[in-house]
Formats: sequence, C-alpha cells, structure tokens
Amino acid sequence: GENVEQHPSTLSVQEGDSAVIKCTYSDSASNYFPWYKQELGKGPQLIIDIRSNVGEKKDQRIAVTLNKTAKHFSLHITETQPEDSAVYFCAAPPRGNEKLTFGTGTRLTIIP
Amino acid sequence: EPEVTQTPSHQVTQMGQEVILRCVPISNHLYFYWYRQILGQKVEFLVSFYNNEISEKSEIFDDRFSVERPDGSNFTLKIRSTKLEDSAMYFCASSSGTGIEAFFGQGTRLTVV
Repeated sequence: GENVEQHPSTLSVQEGDSAVIKCTYSDSASNYFPWYKQELGKGPQLIIDIRSNVGEKKDQRIAVTLNKTAKHFSLHITETQPEDSAVYFCAAPPRGNEKLTFGTGTRLTIIP
Repeated sequence: EPEVTQTPSHQVTQMGQEVILRCVPISNHLYFYWYRQILGQKVEFLVSFYNNEISEKSEIFDDRFSVERPDGSNFTLKIRSTKLEDSAMYFCASSSGTGIEAFFGQGTRLTVV
C-alpha cells in the first residue's frame, strides 16, 4: 500500500517569512496529491491539491510543487500570517483508489 | 457552502458498550468514508463506502465495526463492544469521485472509559 512520509514534524516561522513542508510517497501510480490544514478541534480542510500532469500549482500565498521522478511533493506558504498556525497534512491515494493515506502531520507555528 | 455534518460532537461510553456515530455527507456525493485520529497522531483510514457497499476497509476496521447508509442522507459508523483503544476523533468524509477533493466533517470525539 501507499506509504507517505512528511517532514518536519514541527516548524516555527517568523511572521512574514516562508514555510516549506515536504512529503514523499511510495506508490508511483499515485496521481493526486492534496494538502489539508487542521485547526484545533476541527476536521481537515483541503487547502490545495495537485495532479501528476503538472509540476506546480499556486493559489495566492500557497503553492505546491510535485516531483514525480523523485516521488515527493512540497507545500510552500509565503508571507506567513498568525492564522496560518495549524497542523498540515499531506496525503496521497493509490491510483484509482478512493482512500487517502495521510502523512504524519506538521505543526506549523507562526511567531508574531 | 455545502458541508459534512457529524453528530454528536463528543460521545462518552463505557467499555463494552455500543456506539453509533452519525454523519450527513454532502448531498450529491457518491463516496463516503470514515477516518480516525488518535490524539496527536495522523489521520487513519477506516473504511470507504460506495454504491451501498464497503469498497475498502483497513485492518483497524475489525468485525466490531460496521457502516450503514440507512436512508438517502445519513451515513453511520457503529462500534460494538467498545475498547479503551477505540478512543479517538472520528471523521466522516465524502467526495464526488476518486482522485477528487474529499470534504471532512468536524469530527466526533469518542471517549471510552
């Protein structure tokens, strides 16, 4: 089955600086890579996703890059703000499969 | 904006009892899921449900667990003979297809005492 590894487990960033979170996956057939943000006491919320036919996708301050050869994808948050503080999870479903295999999560803290 | 709703938000039950966690997925979605998250850990897949049957389940989803879509709107997770280690946050999710955004509910915190 799919194995997803995520680094770092915790990340503290000064407000206004950038944050980068990286994930690797094992199933080379995976073709959809979402990122979820989980705030305290809430369910995961999709913030951005990318499909294997593109290498990068951007939505305002958030971007995701994908390297299919190396089987890794990264979340980039620029101009960080206090409300970006949360736990971020990457995920990957095996191709044609419905379930999501989540990474272990990154607790991002933005320091004012 | 459509959302997945879960009830109750918190359920406390005695070990050995049965619990039913309830979910109302987004109305036009076809795929339904249950995930769980033990405190401080990652989100783990339990079961997926499509076309009125289980399409996949994990090793966590043993014979004490069952799911049901009793009508056109609800999706339930039943846990029989609850154990202490069942204590976790349980999330329901739904999506309109595979490889497409899955929307998660706010979760039900299950505490087995």
